[in-house]
This record gives sequence, C-alpha cells and structure tokens, in this order.
Amino acid sequence: DQQVKQNSPSLSVQEGRISILNCDYTNSMFDYFLWYKKYPAEGPTFLISISSIKDKNEDGRFTVFLNKSAKHLSLHIVPSQPGDSAVYFCAASGNNRLAFGKGNQVVVIP
Amino acid sequence: EADIYQTPRYLVIGTGKKITLECSQTMGHDKMYWYQQDPGMELHLIHYSYGVNSTEKGDLSSESTVSRIRTEHFPLTLESARPSHTSQYLCASSPAGLGYGYTFGSGTRLTVV
Repeated sequence: DQQVKQNSPSLSVQEGRISILNCDYTNSMFDYFLWYKKYPAEGPTFLISISSIKDKNEDGRFTVFLNKSAKHLSLHIVPSQPGDSAVYFCAASGNNRLAFGKGNQVVVIP
Repeated sequence: EADIYQTPRYLVIGTGKKITLECSQTMGHDKMYWYQQDPGMELHLIHYSYGVNSTEKGDLSSESTVSRIRTEHFPLTLESARPSHTSQYLCASSPAGLGYGYTFGSGTRLTVV
C-alpha cells in the first residue's frame, strides 16, 4: 500500500515560470516531509523539508507548503530554471524511516 | 566531493553469480540504508542499519543480505544473482534527526543477464 502518492508523473514548464509539484500521503503519523531531486544516473539529493508543525518553509526559489488536514503538500519552484529539470521525489518520515513517492519528472523549457 | 560512495556504478553480470555492492560514508552517520528503485517507481527500502552489528530488513522483501561491521561501511550481497534482481540500488545515510534528510550515494545500476 503506497503511503506517499505523487500523481501527474511529468510536468513541462517554461523557464521563468512557476513549477508546482503535489504530494499526498495517507499516514497521519508522519511527522516530517522532505523533497528530493534526482538527475539521471545519480542518487537523490535533499532539497527542502518541513516539519508537521509548520505549514510553510521557504529556501530561495523553493517553497514547500503543508496542509495537514488534507494530508497534502506541495513544492513550488519559482522562477524555474533549465537546471531544475530532474525527477522530484516527495518523502515522509515516520517510524524512523522515510517513505517515498514515485517521483515527478520536471522539464524546464528554455 | 561525495561523502557517500557506491561502487560499482554499473554492473552487468550473469545469472547465478555472487555479487557485492559496496557503500561507504565518511560522515560518521550511525544510520545507513539500502533502497531499490525501478524506473518510474518509488524507492523501496530493502535494508537498514542503526549502527555497527545492527541490520534490519526493510519494507520490500529482498533476497540480498547486508552487514555492518564498521560504521562507515554497509555492503549489500546477492549470493546468486537472477534477472529479477535487475534494478538500481541506492545507499543512503543519515544523522540522528531525519529533518536533515538522507544523503544518497550515486547508486549502482545492476543488470543480470
């Protein structure tokens, strides 16, 4: 049973515009949420995280929003840059482990 | 420079061979993990360790085994490789709090023919 779900597996966006990635989770016991970025043939790299006690965390061009009542989080990238083209994984922490979604492919068009 | 190293990056091997995928980290992290990922799919935890001489199976059943004799080293072994083992294997480590996130290695792309 998949606990972290990322729908819309791919997204294309024009350079300079906003990219919005969505993630839903089922386990209300998750207490920390993270986003990872992955280039082909490389391991995922940590991007940004948010505690379950917050509803927003911002780091430069990246902002993560958490809606606990809806069990939903989103990642906003603005402005999008060609180097942002990658696969983005949503992850949720619980029981000392991370559960990952299937990832979203983002393509930023110059 | 990477703080967590996986070798080899790519491996093509015949059915029935024994293989060991290496993972080493220089950050002194107590926690280490092995994930398996197929294209377009989520990362599945297959093994983890919270310290020396501690190993546990993850959420996805795997025929592989692991060992943790030294803090920095967490190798994964397949005694007899099969085509169903073809996948990408990702090693990761983390400090005590998950809020810092995991640090992943570059992965090993394994193909069993």
